[in-house]
Amino acid sequence: EVQLVESGGGLVQPGGSLRLSCAASGFTFSSSVMTWVRQAPGKGLEWVSGLSGSIDSAFYADSVKGRFTISRDISKTTLYLQMNSLRAEDTAIYYCARWLVTAIPHWGQGTLVTVSS
Amino acid sequence: EIVLTQSPATLSLSPGERATLSCRASQSVSSYLAWYQQKPGQAPRLLIYDASNRAAGIPARFSGSGSGTDFTLTISSLEPEDFAVYYCQQRSNWPLALTFGGGTKVEIK
Repeated sequence: EVQLVESGGGLVQPGGSLRLSCAASGFTFSSSVMTWVRQAPGKGLEWVSGLSGSIDSAFYADSVKGRFTISRDISKTTLYLQMNSLRAEDTAIYYCARWLVTAIPHWGQGTLVTVSS
Repeated sequence: EIVLTQSPATLSLSPGERATLSCRASQSVSSYLAWYQQKPGQAPRLLIYDASNRAAGIPARFSGSGSGTDFTLTISSLEPEDFAVYYCQQRSNWPLALTFGGGTKVEIK
């Protein structure tokens, strides 16, 4: 069974940093395309970042480019999202997900990030 | 950048009725379109991928159709558990990215 468990969310001041983690199990993590999707309170879904399998190329939405970094630790089967220079508009539930070709069949339960002073 | 526009924003229907949700892309996405269902407090659940293929465990009352720029999600007969928000999503090849539509809320009339 595929499991994705996020952690690391919380309250952070504007301009601060936070690192999200996503522990993965039940599939071949090293070769899977992984992604982060977020959802602001009461709003729709927004793709944030993706990490391709094998070659580990990273891709970002324009809204987070230069501030967020996606990475993975294969030995720990864990996906990360390092978030720097956080803004109020980054406040959202962040979902870790496994991306299979054209869609996302597996999602974590999400972790809430609140950026506020 | 491809934009996905979903309509209507809200659909008010009764259990047993047929629901027809639309997703229009600003340019062709071939058949690379997926649909998700999201209930309050839950992560999205994949319903349909590649425009018309039901994901594992999804009931047959859910069906998808379309190609190019116009897509439809149909729920043939609404069950109480189907009242939720539905999102469409497409994948861009280069740069690799995902785009979601704004969502359609299916509510009880």
